[in-house]
Amino acid sequence: EIVLTQSPATLSLSPGERATLSCRASQSVYSYLAWYQQKPGQAPRLLIYDASKRATGIPARFSGSGSGTDFTLTISSLEPEDFALYYCQQRSNRPNTFGQGTKLEIK
Amino acid sequence: DVQLVESGGGLMQPGRSLRLSCTASGFTFYEYALSWVRQAPGKGLEWVGFIRTKEYGGTTEYAASVKGRFIISRDDSKSIAYLQMNSLKTEDTAVYYCTRDSSEIIWGQGTLVTVSS
Repeated sequence: EIVLTQSPATLSLSPGERATLSCRASQSVYSYLAWYQQKPGQAPRLLIYDASKRATGIPARFSGSGSGTDFTLTISSLEPEDFALYYCQQRSNRPNTFGQGTKLEIK
Repeated sequence: DVQLVESGGGLMQPGRSLRLSCTASGFTFYEYALSWVRQAPGKGLEWVGFIRTKEYGGTTEYAASVKGRFIISRDDSKSIAYLQMNSLKTEDTAVYYCTRDSSEIIWGQGTLVTVSS
């Protein structure tokens, strides 16, 4: 089973700042990595798929990069609605595992 | 619109069975594999299992935590996937989501299953 490790666990930033979230895989997942945003009581919302492709309707301030074992989600300038939980997921191997999440909170 | 809608959740006693449904619309259902993912209260996301398309045998795979108790099936004529949950345990309490397996993964809104005596 591929283990995904997200860092940091919590990220405290202010609106307008740049956020950088990391996801590291225990073995290569090539580019089969997705990023999700989740708010309380809601289903996860797909932000990025295949490591760097923005999902339909996702603002351009969200970008993804990386391949192999190291991936990054960048939010270029935080909006108030961006403060939430973020998960990565790999779909290279079954089970399609998830990271443990990064909480992005307002500083 | 491409959509997945889960239903069938509720309050169940340990040891009982429950079947969840995932009804799809807006896309050609039989062309896609489908997965189930769950999220226990206050916890992260856990992949439960998936079912391939008929083209690939309609075979299934499961997480170790549910293997032997949960069964995933599909009815392509109705565009519905099912999650049959047997021998329920308190640790199966979670919101259950179905997802369409594709590059741009589609999620349903989830259905809550509570297992408690």
